[in-house]
Amino acid sequence: NAGVTQTPKFQVLKTGQSMTLQCAQDMNHEYMSWYRQDPGMGLRLIHYSVGAGITDQGEVPNGYNVSRSTTEDFPLRLLSAAPSQTSVYFCASSSSGSAYGYTFGSGTRLTVV
Amino acid sequence: GDSVTQMEGPVTLSEEAFLTINCTYTATGYPSLFWYVQYPGEGLQLLLKATKADDKGSNKGFEATYRKETTSFHLEKGSVQVSDSAVYFCALFGDTGRRALTFGSGTRLQVQP
Repeated sequence: NAGVTQTPKFQVLKTGQSMTLQCAQDMNHEYMSWYRQDPGMGLRLIHYSVGAGITDQGEVPNGYNVSRSTTEDFPLRLLSAAPSQTSVYFCASSSSGSAYGYTFGSGTRLTVV
Repeated sequence: GDSVTQMEGPVTLSEEAFLTINCTYTATGYPSLFWYVQYPGEGLQLLLKATKADDKGSNKGFEATYRKETTSFHLEKGSVQVSDSAVYFCALFGDTGRRALTFGSGTRLQVQP
């Protein structure tokens, strides 16, 4: 049982480049979320989804896009990378959110130079 | 909106000491409450949860009780070990609004032998 798989684990981008962080889960979870983790700031919600075809913005959505065409996949797109987007990104999924909590991926460490 | 406040860290304890990490929250209705743990270089793991008032979550010697009257969910452990050194995050999933976790800023625990 793979759980939540994030790729790549590490990435260096130049300012202005675009890229997609991949997230896939094999637990048939409806709820999925993307967070960024910065020192001293905990985890901040970027975007989330409650099912295929349904997404919504979190606290810090600017500069990021998401789509949810299948239950399994929830990619995060950086449109034009900026140094302020240097962070560790986590994807998470849950069957219901409230009763069972979320399962997290191992993260993607992104550096924008 | 929903919010979670945790005590500032780092918390430094000697092995076998008693641990308390304070967590308070602001939310409408009856959120579900969680503690997550993050070991160095890893993703977040669910440590324990409580879904209604007066519930006590417990796991690996850690406990937390959902106190609606004080809007708190403090994490406790009677005797910490060096292996408990990690960052601990308090989080909530509200019963209204965003369908995603809201996190506190995290508390780093360092246990010395």
